[in-house]
Amino acid sequence: LAKTTQPISMDSYEGQEVNITCSHNNIATNDYITWYQQFPSQGPRFIIQGYKTKVTNEVASLFIPADRKSSTLSLPRVSLSDTAVYYCLVGGNTGFQKLVFGTGTRLLVSP
Amino acid sequence: DAGVTQSPTHLIKTRGQQVTLRCSPKSGHDTVSWYQQALGQGPQFIFQYYEEEERQRGNFPDRFSGHQFPNYSSELNVNALLLGDSALYLCASSGERERADTQYFGPGTRLTVL
Repeated sequence: LAKTTQPISMDSYEGQEVNITCSHNNIATNDYITWYQQFPSQGPRFIIQGYKTKVTNEVASLFIPADRKSSTLSLPRVSLSDTAVYYCLVGGNTGFQKLVFGTGTRLLVSP
Repeated sequence: DAGVTQSPTHLIKTRGQQVTLRCSPKSGHDTVSWYQQALGQGPQFIFQYYEEEERQRGNFPDRFSGHQFPNYSSELNVNALLLGDSALYLCASSGERERADTQYFGPGTRLTVL
């Protein structure tokens, strides 16, 4: 499974756009990129997933360049409730898929 | 549509004891995975159950065992508890209609070993 590297922490203010970049230099051809969000004392929550270019949903956007060696999670106009840990994962779709989490990026949103 | 549920929410045990944690998957899901999350760390994969069988296991000792029932619910058992077993234990479920790396997590069980 490809290893990912992301910043340990980030700070932002309410209303700003936050971009969290993840490096995955050894991503395999069949791997997708998935982001999870975790609040304290809760389980991770699936945010967004993509293979290439750009994916957007009601929560976030995911930008993936052509070489797929990195990806950027974009959170538009963050609020205090977006304070959480964000995990970037890469992996396939085999029936025995396990999720490999790193330490994630701790995002702190201040007033 | 009920999501993943886990019980109990919190648990306090002493070293050497045994513990059983329970998980009910999201409706329509047939695969259950268990993860251990130590404070300040990302979740670590323990094992995965499908069709009542363990089909993949992470780097955890045999003290950690599990079971899946015909209704797809699952149990995680930990024997001979150590202080280092104190963690948040997460259950995640997935199903055939979604990618295997799209898993839905429960709220977790906080285990404290004294």
